[in-house]
Amino acid sequence: QKEVEQNSGPLSVPEGAIASLNCTYSDRGSQSFFWYRQYSGKSPELIMFIYSNGDKEDGRFTAQLNKASQYVSLLIRDSQPSDSATYLCALRIGANSKLTFGKGITLSVRP
Amino acid sequence: DAGVTQSPTHLIKTRGQQVTLRCSPKSGHDTVSWYQQALGQGPQFIFQYYEEEERQRGNFPDRFSGHQFPNYSSELNVNALLLGDSALYLCASSLVAGTDYGYTFGSGTRLTVV
Repeated sequence: QKEVEQNSGPLSVPEGAIASLNCTYSDRGSQSFFWYRQYSGKSPELIMFIYSNGDKEDGRFTAQLNKASQYVSLLIRDSQPSDSATYLCALRIGANSKLTFGKGITLSVRP
Repeated sequence: DAGVTQSPTHLIKTRGQQVTLRCSPKSGHDTVSWYQQALGQGPQFIFQYYEEEERQRGNFPDRFSGHQFPNYSSELNVNALLLGDSALYLCASSLVAGTDYGYTFGSGTRLTVV
């Protein structure tokens, strides 16, 4: 089993819809979880991080963490064409330890 | 406030050659990590430097080596290049005593081995 798994995608949603991106992980010792957005040819950009069970909201983005089920998700409300990118899920086991990334899922928001 | 800067942005090398990539961390950051991102994949951790020492290492061969300087900048060296080393190389910086904000990535160096 891969350490971090993301839906293979790509995911396509119409403008204004909610995009739901999911990620599962295998190491129960994982402490911190991150969502990065990466536009084609660019470097990853941090969108959100979460380390407690439950929801964390920031504008149109909501991260959800369920440690018992070992999944973390990202919801994007009112999706915009500018949200079209690859979204990378990452985790960290300890402070200052390496980030372990999933393969990423490509989101396309149709105008 | 300067972010993470990497140089060069693009590089083309021949198999068997050696390459050095450079990274300057974000102002105030003291830890530098290097990642390799192949096309269509997520970044893979190579190693991390703090206090001029390699603190953690991923599953990469010894052909990959690095260095951190007293000003916290870092270099990634790859010897005996293989075609499979073609990738985007990302540098990320952080503060060892910082909170869980993840890492700040540079814009990357695109290495092509021919």
